[in-house]
Amino acid sequence: KNEVEQSPQNLTAQEGEFITINCSYSVGISALHWLQQHPGGGIVSLFMLSSGKKKHGRLIATINIQEKHSSLHITASHPRDSAVYICAATINQAGTALIFGKGTTLSVSS
Amino acid sequence: DGGITQSPKYLFRKEGQNVTLSCEQNLNHDAMYWYRQDPGQGLRLIYYSQIVNDFQKGDIAEGYSVSREKKESFPLTVTSAQKNPTAFYLCASQRGGANYGYTFGSGTRLTVV
Repeated sequence: KNEVEQSPQNLTAQEGEFITINCSYSVGISALHWLQQHPGGGIVSLFMLSSGKKKHGRLIATINIQEKHSSLHITASHPRDSAVYICAATINQAGTALIFGKGTTLSVSS
Repeated sequence: DGGITQSPKYLFRKEGQNVTLSCEQNLNHDAMYWYRQDPGQGLRLIYYSQIVNDFQKGDIAEGYSVSREKKESFPLTVTSAQKNPTAFYLCASQRGGANYGYTFGSGTRLTVV
């Protein structure tokens, strides 16, 4: 079992819909990261959080430490949001290297 | 602007050849990482370095080698001992310490022909 699990694996939406991607982890973590990977392959860091909630534009990330769960929300989704969204964690006692989920492929159609 | 540069973007290797993937950063970050991505799998750690002249094996280091002679550079060599090298390789850097974010390169896609 992976230490970081994401769901769903694939997600399709119509423009304007509210999107939620979930991430759960099974070990203690120092920080939880949400990343975005576009078709070309490059990865952009969206959020790093260890507690509570962060917001940037239409993106919101939350984390519940007790439940070992994080969510990424996209409000008013747009076709340009189509990408792979990856959850990654810095695991306690594992240095600073990231442990990655397998990613959620989001496709938003107009 | 500061960032990470990976080169080349696409690389083709004949079986039995060693190839070196370049990763350079001008962010003054202490830590650098190499990850491998295969279809349907999460990124996996190959090697990482938290300081110049020191590096550690990750989960899938077999068939790979690295060096960290300069803070800015962390090249990855895919040796002929790596039996399935076709993959997407990502380099990342971090200021150091678990509370700092990561910066990722744009990746190198390696194909064995």
